[in-house]
Amino acid sequence: NAGVMQNPRHLVRRRGQEARLRCSPMKGHSHVYWYRQLPEEGLKFMVYLQKENIIDESGMPKERFSAEFPKEGPSILRIQQVVRGDSAAYFCASSAGQRSTDTQYFGPGTRLTVL
Amino acid sequence: AQSVTQLGSHVSVSEGALVLLRCNYSSSVPPYLFWYVQYPNQGLQLLLKYTSAATLVKGINGFEAEFKKSETSFHLTKPSAHMSDAAEYFCAVTNTDKLIFGTGTRLQVFP
Repeated sequence: NAGVMQNPRHLVRRRGQEARLRCSPMKGHSHVYWYRQLPEEGLKFMVYLQKENIIDESGMPKERFSAEFPKEGPSILRIQQVVRGDSAAYFCASSAGQRSTDTQYFGPGTRLTVL
Repeated sequence: AQSVTQLGSHVSVSEGALVLLRCNYSSSVPPYLFWYVQYPNQGLQLLLKYTSAATLVKGINGFEAEFKKSETSFHLTKPSAHMSDAAEYFCAVTNTDKLIFGTGTRLQVFP
């Protein structure tokens, strides 16, 4: 049973470019979460999605960031006009249900570097 | 609002020694608590979780944690450290859809 998959694992962008990060949840999981880890910090929640719906985006920056989880295909985290401060590791997690006790399984992350 | 505090950003132990990683939480409602481990350049792996059943929770790789409501703590322990335990450990709390993480504790194990 494949785990959570993320690609690319490493992404380099120049300031002003767009970054697209992809996440395929575990088989049978319909709940996806995105977290950001800045250097030497813990993970910070960004957004929680179910198929075709954004459930909680309270951790998303108000500008330049967007996320989607279409009916078909992976979840996408999109960062427009990247700045150096966006350099971080972005982790996706998935769960089978939405209860607080449902385990979130994490992918290997995408490490974004903005030059 | 919920929060987690991990005391000690770095902990060093000798191989075979007791591992103790500290986590204190703040929550206005009964919390669910988790410990995750992160190896270099990898994602997070669940070690164990507390979901209001037994207060002493056993996890993978010989780790366990005890939920102490009176102390608002959920410290992670392992009786005997192994070299392969060297990693970063994160405590997290939730009672909603999002996990609230601490800043992590990096564990070093010396031979």
